[in-house]
Amino acid sequence: EAQVTQNPRYLITVTGKKLTVTCSQNMNHEYMSWYRQDPGLGLRQIYYSMNVEVTDKGDVPEGYKVSRKEKRNFPLILESPSPNQTSLYFCASSLTASGSYEQYFGPGTRLTVT
Amino acid sequence: LAKTTQPISMDSYEGQEVNITCSHNNIATNDYITWYQQFPSQGPRFIIQGYKTKVTNEVASLFIPADRKSSTLSLPRVSLSDTAVYYCLVAGNTGGFKTIFGAGTRLFVKA
Repeated sequence: EAQVTQNPRYLITVTGKKLTVTCSQNMNHEYMSWYRQDPGLGLRQIYYSMNVEVTDKGDVPEGYKVSRKEKRNFPLILESPSPNQTSLYFCASSLTASGSYEQYFGPGTRLTVT
Repeated sequence: LAKTTQPISMDSYEGQEVNITCSHNNIATNDYITWYQQFPSQGPRFIIQGYKTKVTNEVASLFIPADRKSSTLSLPRVSLSDTAVYYCLVAGNTGGFKTIFGAGTRLFVKA
């Protein structure tokens, strides 16, 4: 089954404790992306990757890191999480970066930073 | 990237047709128009995509006028399960590869 998976689905952590949220897709997609969603602010793009070893900042990259060492994986790293990073995070992928291809979204990771 | 404007919310009743319009005045030649549906605490799901004129699939129709400065998502005979947030997205391969979602339209379907 074609899908985007994220782990963990729920995470509660404390300020400053490094964490990684994994994202994997099995569709051989080139384009992958991370979003955060907060009440009243909609979906905001954090980082995106157009292919292996090619990443770029979205609209809200501060406090996050990403890497794309393999085509299927695109982990999101929070080196020193803070309470303002409490949010619902979605990973997505599409065949290419062209707007003519739909994005497939993962189930989401709900992160709470205390 | 083309900025999109949609109504914040809409109400409807079961069985009615719902039309949600999105404005995108500065759409670029290579941009496509895509609509997504999102239920609470779930990732957005693709509904329909188009470039010009009319596109229809099993769940919706998308109407795009000749100037492409707006588009209308049409949901025929909505049911309670269509209550969701609907996002209009305009993106192509020019001007960078960011994706910017607008605020979306919250559709509430009543019995």
